[in-house]
Amino acid sequence: NAGVTQTPKFRILKIGQSMTLQCAQDMNHNYMYWYRQDPGMGLKLIYYSVGAGITDKGEVPNGYNVSRSTTEDFPLRLELAAPSQTSVYFCASSFAGNSYNEQFFGPGTRLTVL
Amino acid sequence: GQQLNQSPQSMFIQEGEDVSMNCTSSSIFNTWLWYKQDPGEGPVLLIALYKAGELTSNGRLTAQFGITRKDSFLNISASIPSDVGIYFCAGLSYGGATNKLIFGTGTLLAVQP
Repeated sequence: NAGVTQTPKFRILKIGQSMTLQCAQDMNHNYMYWYRQDPGMGLKLIYYSVGAGITDKGEVPNGYNVSRSTTEDFPLRLELAAPSQTSVYFCASSFAGNSYNEQFFGPGTRLTVL
Repeated sequence: GQQLNQSPQSMFIQEGEDVSMNCTSSSIFNTWLWYKQDPGEGPVLLIALYKAGELTSNGRLTAQFGITRKDSFLNISASIPSDVGIYFCAGLSYGGATNKLIFGTGTLLAVQP
């Protein structure tokens, strides 16, 4: 199993440009998540999905959109990139369940908006 | 939003020393987790704690779920150079079917051989 994969690893955008961060998992996990990590800070939840076709906002959703057309993929879309979106983005996935199920993280995408 | 206060922010120690870090919250959590993040990588789960007062070990790592459910502690004994990284605590509140974590701000650990 590859686990959680993310592409690209690095990206530099100009203000106002758009892009999609890709995330895929091959563990048949129902839940998927997008986090951002700013320097010296913990991870903050942007969006999450509890299954294909279902998405919901996390703590910091403004400026982002997501879709979940398949169990495996959970892309994150930035429509009008702003410098405040410079960050490292992590995708994660887990099984559904009533108790805690470990979230497995991808290696991250480092995004700079200039 | 909810925030976890994690301390210390950073630690610079000699190989072989023991390390302690903690995490506190104004809210109660049902589960406490400790993650380690190596440079350029995503966080990896070290220890999960599921009930108040629980003390759990994973090799040289020991973590405790505070009795008040508002805090947690992580100890690393006899540190080695590969312990270098950022350690995050995370709390989980069950809100229906969702599985949302709140992360601490991290403790940067540097170990000098």
